[in-house]
Amino acid sequence: DTAVSQTPKYLVTQMGNDKSIKCEQNLGHDTMYWYKQDSKKFLKIMFSYNNKELIINETVPNRFSPKSPDKAHLNLHINSLELGDSAVYFCASSQEFRGGWEKLFFGSGTQLSVL
Amino acid sequence: QQQVKQSPQSLIVQKGGISIINCAYENTAFDYFPWYQQFPGKGPALLIAIRPDVSEKKEGRFTISFNKSAKQFSLHIMDSQPGDSATYFCAASFPSGNTPLVFGKGTRLSVIA
Repeated sequence: DTAVSQTPKYLVTQMGNDKSIKCEQNLGHDTMYWYKQDSKKFLKIMFSYNNKELIINETVPNRFSPKSPDKAHLNLHINSLELGDSAVYFCASSQEFRGGWEKLFFGSGTQLSVL
Repeated sequence: QQQVKQSPQSLIVQKGGISIINCAYENTAFDYFPWYQQFPGKGPALLIAIRPDVSEKKEGRFTISFNKSAKQFSLHIMDSQPGDSATYFCAASFPSGNTPLVFGKGTRLSVIA
């Protein structure tokens, strides 16, 4: 049983389109995250939700909107996709948010390619 | 400055050799230093972590060495195996607060037979 699962695994789309990535965790964790990994493998946090409440919102364009319907799910919606949005997006979860002390459990990633 | 500098960017090691990846940080307020391992097509996974009150932590073939005065820490992989080939990320965090982990830029390790 996959602990943190995200769909789709691959997403190829045209510039200007709107797309969503879904994430679910079955670990019973309170905190979920979205990370972006660029072509050079650099990992950068985008958002974090704790018990459905937004607690971290890094400097991300407002075309990116996270939504957490419940604490087991965190989806990422991206409007008006741009070439620079091409990256691998990782969902992660942790038992709680401990200001960086938490053990992160990552999904397998969604490779987004914007053409 | 919230920054962790990781080197080398890539590393090739012979099977059975020792792999060493180094990280340096600037902010002395960091107090937790994990290493994450990422295999191709997978998300990163926590490998080992250390706090600055100890100078070394060992788990199997993986050892973190920590030098508080130099503000450096390193990952040593003893008897490196082809299955260790992955990208390794060091990271650092502050005590409490709403600040997330700060990741290094990663080291791609290739262990060749």
